[in-house]
Amino acid sequence: GENVEQHPSTLSVQEGDSAVIKCTYSDSASNYFPWYKQELGKRPQLIIDIRSNVGEKKDQRIAVTLNKTAKHFSLHITETQPEDSAVYFCADVSNTGKLIFGQGTTLQVKP
Amino acid sequence: NAGVTQTPKFQVLKTGQSMTLQCAQDMNHNSMYWYRQDPGMGLRLIYYSASEGTTDKGEVPNGYNVSRLNKREFSLRLESAAPSQTSVYFCASRLGGAGVGETQYFGPGTRLLVL
Repeated sequence: GENVEQHPSTLSVQEGDSAVIKCTYSDSASNYFPWYKQELGKRPQLIIDIRSNVGEKKDQRIAVTLNKTAKHFSLHITETQPEDSAVYFCADVSNTGKLIFGQGTTLQVKP
Repeated sequence: NAGVTQTPKFQVLKTGQSMTLQCAQDMNHNSMYWYRQDPGMGLRLIYYSASEGTTDKGEVPNGYNVSRLNKREFSLRLESAAPSQTSVYFCASRLGGAGVGETQYFGPGTRLLVL
């Protein structure tokens, strides 16, 4: 069935360092891969997404890469800031729009 | 636009009680979803409605029922609440179709405690 594995479960970095979170999916038909950021007590918010016809997408300090052959995609945050501290979720989206979430990564950015 | 709204924000139930969680969106979206979020488990899909008039089961549908009342509203009902249903419930919607229609927007969540 559909499954998304996300690693690491926790990540602690110093302010200014880079952070990388990786996800692996199982459904070969998947073609859309969003990343959500969730701050404590709040709703998930989309921060970046990528489609299967693109290998990389960048938005300021955030980038996502996709390797369809290996079925994995990664979130890269550069020059991390304390406000980047949150839980990050990757997701795989089926053609019916169902989001299958990874387990989440708690990112802590130390000042 | 209010986006996706949910009521109530908080609820405490006793085991065996029933309740309905309400969700509404004002973005003219076609698809709506109910997720639950438990600590360390991420978000799991309970039920979804790909379009008005249709509903389908997600990963964890047992103990729940849903109603797509109209295009705007999608409710989740717990007929006989159990402590295992203590969770945060999120409703989401998306326009549908390719491109920007794929993005799901989440409501603020409902925190449910079943004693």
